[in-house]
Amino acid sequence: AQSVTQLGSHVSVSEGALVLLRCNYSSSVPPYLFWYVQYPNQGLQLLLKYTSAATLVKGINGFEAEFKKSETSFHLTKPSAHMSDAAEYFCALYSGAGSYQLTFGKGTKLSVIP
Amino acid sequence: ETGVTQTPRHLVMGMTNKKSLKCEQHLGHNAMYWYKQSAKKPLELMFVYSLEERVENNSVPSRFSPECPNSSHLFLHLHTLQPEDSALYLCASSQATGGQGYSPLHFGNGTRLTVT
Repeated sequence: AQSVTQLGSHVSVSEGALVLLRCNYSSSVPPYLFWYVQYPNQGLQLLLKYTSAATLVKGINGFEAEFKKSETSFHLTKPSAHMSDAAEYFCALYSGAGSYQLTFGKGTKLSVIP
Repeated sequence: ETGVTQTPRHLVMGMTNKKSLKCEQHLGHNAMYWYKQSAKKPLELMFVYSLEERVENNSVPSRFSPECPNSSHLFLHLHTLQPEDSALYLCASSQATGGQGYSPLHFGNGTRLTVT
């Protein structure tokens, strides 16, 4: 069975500090992995996706994530946090050929302290 | 208008009411989804339509009834709901790939449903 685990339901960083949001996955087949962001009172927006090409994936708003098969991880990073990054972030996994099931983690709420 | 639009944004209904949620996508996609987002729980996939046919139905109670009249519109009909059905209901669309890879979802802003 496939699963996604996001470590830390709430992360706080200072403005200008490194952002690191952790995601570990379990999948019996090579996965497609995604990070989505949800701002208050909005739907989810795609940040970036891994589809078995380069292991370091760059997304919007300066975010990037690295796929590490040996660690079954897909952590999200940004070198310098901005106030506008405050939101909830979701890691998601697709590993079922022919299925439409996208497995989401429970989300990590990021707070940015001025 | 672009993207995925959901109406209404907020809905309060009693347990005996009947209401409908509407979703419209302007992205030319051919697959549409309903998700339920509850506090402290992962997003739950409820229904999927691909090329206007329902292709997944994840053990959703019959008090939720989806309808997809065409590839641009999706409805969720609600009747005799329970207070635990209160949640954010998200619509999404994507381009069906026929099993070749995966196309990311594009979400609407959701309908915040409160059942009293």
